[in-house]
Amino acid sequence: AQKVTQAQTEISVVEKEDVTLDCVYETRDTTYYLFWYKQPPSGELVFLIRRNSFDEQNEISGRYSWNFQKSTSSFNFTITASQVVDSAVYFCALHAGAGSYQLTFGKGTKLSVIP
Amino acid sequence: DADVTQTPRNRITKTGKRIMLECSQTKGHDRMYWYRQDPGLGLRLIYYSFDVKDINKGEISDGYSVSRQAQAKFSLSLESAIPNQTALYFCATSDWTDYGYTFGSGTRLTVV
Repeated sequence: AQKVTQAQTEISVVEKEDVTLDCVYETRDTTYYLFWYKQPPSGELVFLIRRNSFDEQNEISGRYSWNFQKSTSSFNFTITASQVVDSAVYFCALHAGAGSYQLTFGKGTKLSVIP
Repeated sequence: DADVTQTPRNRITKTGKRIMLECSQTKGHDRMYWYRQDPGLGLRLIYYSFDVKDINKGEISDGYSVSRQAQAKFSLSLESAIPNQTALYFCATSDWTDYGYTFGSGTRLTVV
């Protein structure tokens, strides 16, 4: 069975601070995909990144960066110099195995960036 | 137009009423899904379909039914709505070749 744990339910930071959102996953499959989504107050899901299990390179996209470590089954997300517009709920999700039929989501981390 | 369109965007209905949420896509994907989001619980899978003749239950299918009318259309029905079905519902499609998922904008359903 697949499982995604986002231990941080809510985080508050002051604008311009860096913040890291944690994601730990469980799967027995050797082939899997990890995702991060952003859900702003308007409610839609915004795709941020997809990473497959064979690519452990960290990725940076502007102020966003992701650290994938198979040794600890973690796929953490860092926002550098946070902005008020980053306030949202962030979901980590896992798609595992060739026969898998769904994304398994974590419960989400609500990030509040205070001006 | 959006790749995955959900209608309605918002709906308030009364307990015991039948309601249908509709989803259509222009991605050309064979796989379609219905998810439910409750505060603090993330998204949970209700039903999924890999093609027109294939319908499968997900984690929380009780109280729901679906219909795959065509490759591009996948509707979710609540036969007799109850208040604990108040939630945000998402339709999604996926490409089996690279597991790219596309989500609709969501339907916010309130059962009173």
